[in-house]
Amino acid sequence: EVQLVESGGGLVQPGGSLRLSCAASGFTFSDSWMVWLRQAPGRGLEWVATTNQHGNEQYYVDSLKGRFTISRDNAKNSLYLQIHSLRAEDTAVYYCAKKGGTVNVWGQGTLVTVSS
Amino acid sequence: DIQMTQSPSTLSASVGDRVTITCRASHAIDWLAWHQQRPGKAPRLLIYRTSYLESGVPSRFSGSGSGTEFTLTINSLQPDDFATYSCQQYHSYPWTFGQGTKVDLK
Repeated sequence: EVQLVESGGGLVQPGGSLRLSCAASGFTFSDSWMVWLRQAPGRGLEWVATTNQHGNEQYYVDSLKGRFTISRDNAKNSLYLQIHSLRAEDTAVYYCAKKGGTVNVWGQGTLVTVSS
Repeated sequence: DIQMTQSPSTLSASVGDRVTITCRASHAIDWLAWHQQRPGKAPRLLIYRTSYLESGVPSRFSGSGSGTEFTLTINSLQPDDFATYSCQQYHSYPWTFGQGTKVDLK
């Protein structure tokens, strides 16, 4: 069974940094493009970033470029999202997902709350 | 960026009803996907490439459309189907989603 389990969320002060992790299992992680998305409370879904199977191609939504970095460790079957200079509007559930065409498997999400 | 606009935002229906949700793209796209999200749960892919059902998705779900107008239809709504449905274009980056359509009980 394909599984994606996010971790690393929590309460962070404005201006802080955070690294989210996603542990993948049940498929060949090193062959798969991977994606981060988010959903602010009461809002719609938002694509954040995508990386190719090797980690040497990344795509970001323009509004987050520079503060967000997607990366992966294929030896550990893990995907990461590093976030800097956190703002209140970054408060959201962050989802890790597998790309097969589009997002075809979602993790359960991890909540990031940015507040003082 | 390609803007995706869904209608309606909320749809009240009864078990057994046929419901249709529309998604319009600001530019022509080759295809889109539909995701379902039950309250408090992660989204789930229902349909990709406009009309292809993801494995395990019941056949009462169907998708159609082309260009800038697309629809999701649920034939004979079931209790499990009360959820929020979001269209998503992956024709080009940045991927964008509609704002969602909540299907609730009439």
